[in-house]
Amino acid sequence: NAGVMQNPRHLVRRRGQEARLRCSPMKGHSHVYWYRQLPEEGLKFMVYLQKENIIDESGMPKERFSAEFPKEGPSILRIQQVVRGDSAAYFCASSPNSRDTQYFGPGTRLTVL
Amino acid sequence: GQQLNQSPQSMFIQEGEDVSMNCTSSSIFNTWLWYKQDPGEGPVLLIALYKAGELTSNGRLTAQFGITRKDSFLNISASIPSDVGIYFCAGRRDAGNKLTFGGGTRVLVKP
Repeated sequence: NAGVMQNPRHLVRRRGQEARLRCSPMKGHSHVYWYRQLPEEGLKFMVYLQKENIIDESGMPKERFSAEFPKEGPSILRIQQVVRGDSAAYFCASSPNSRDTQYFGPGTRLTVL
Repeated sequence: GQQLNQSPQSMFIQEGEDVSMNCTSSSIFNTWLWYKQDPGEGPVLLIALYKAGELTSNGRLTAQFGITRKDSFLNISASIPSDVGIYFCAGRRDAGNKLTFGGGTRVLVKP
């Protein structure tokens, strides 16, 4: 069984560009969560999605950030007009339902120049 | 927002030593989880605790869910070099399944 897959593993963007991070959940998992980790800190919840629905976006910044999980294909976290403060590791996790354990992907490390 | 305080922030271990770390919160969680993160990787689940007072082992790891539901600890017995890494506690309330993470305990090898 393949685990949670994220790509790219590393992404470099210049200020003002868009960053698009992809997450393919484990087979059979329809619940996806995105977390952000700044250097030397713990993970912070951003958004929770179930196929085609945003369930909880209480951790998402109000502007420039959006997430989707379409019926077909991976979940996408999109950051528009990136700034240096967006530099972080972004982790995706998936679970088969809202109560079971979340399994994490290897993360995407975003660097904004 | 909710915060989990993990201590110690870092520790040095010598092979064979036992290691302890804990996590406290100002609010109640119904599930406590312990993860380990290696450099450049995502967190890997070590132990999940679902009931107040529960004591659970996974090999050399033992974790307990505090009776007040506001704390948890993790013990590693007879440490080995591959125990080096960052250990995170995480709490979950039933609603929504989102996890709240502590700041991590960095386990390093004594020089």
